[in-house]
Amino acid sequence: SQTIHQWPATLVQPVGSPLSLECTVEGTSNPNLYWYRQAAGRGLQLLFYSVGIGQISSEVPQNLSASRPQDRQFILSSKKLLLSDSGFYLCAWSPDRRYGYTFGSGTRLTVV
Amino acid sequence: KQEVTQIPAALSVPEGENLVLNCSFTDSAIYNLQWFRQDPGKGLTSLLLIQSSQREQTSGRLNASLDKSSGRSTLYIAASQPGDSATYLCAVSSGAGSYQLTFGKGTKLSVIP
Repeated sequence: SQTIHQWPATLVQPVGSPLSLECTVEGTSNPNLYWYRQAAGRGLQLLFYSVGIGQISSEVPQNLSASRPQDRQFILSSKKLLLSDSGFYLCAWSPDRRYGYTFGSGTRLTVV
Repeated sequence: KQEVTQIPAALSVPEGENLVLNCSFTDSAIYNLQWFRQDPGKGLTSLLLIQSSQREQTSGRLNASLDKSSGRSTLYIAASQPGDSATYLCAVSSGAGSYQLTFGKGTKLSVIP
C-alpha cells in the first residue's frame, strides 16, 4: 500500500534562517506531488505541485521554493524565513488529479 | 475561478444525533469532490471521494452526495459520536486545466456526550 511521510512534525526557526521540509511517498511511482499551507483562520492554499522529476509549478509568488530530486521525494525550501511563513505545511500526493489526494501528517512551522 | 463554501462554519450536536454538513462550489466542471477530516494539529484524513459521474458514496456511518449541476454536496453522519468531533473539509478537483484542489474553510463539528 502507499504511504506518505513528512518531517519534521514541528519546527521553530528564527527569522532569516533557511528552511527544508521533506516529503516522501512509498508504494507508487510517478505520483503527482503537492505542497499546501494552512494558515490560522484561513483555508488550505496550494503552494507548489509537481507532475514529474524536476518539474515544479508554483501557484503563488512567495519566499519559498520546491524541488523534486527523485520520483517520490518533494522538498520545500526557503533561503531566509519571514514571520509570515509561519503555518501548517502539508504534503500530498495523487496518482492523477482525477483521483483522490492523500495527505501527510503535516509540519507546524513557527518563525520567531 | 473555483470557489468552495462550507456551511455552517461550526456545529455542536448531542451524541447520537444525525447531522448534515453542506458544501457548495461555483464551477460545475469538476473531476471529483473529496471530503476530509482534520483533527486539531493533524493532517487531513480522506473520508469519501465522489467522482463527477457519481451521485453518492458511503462508508460506514458516512454518506456523501453530489449534485454537480447545482454545485452542491452534503456529508451525512449517522448516529454521531464524540469521536466524530473534528473539522470537516470539502475539496473540489476542477477540470479546467488547473491541478489545484480547491478547499472550503471547513465545518468544525463538536459532538457532546
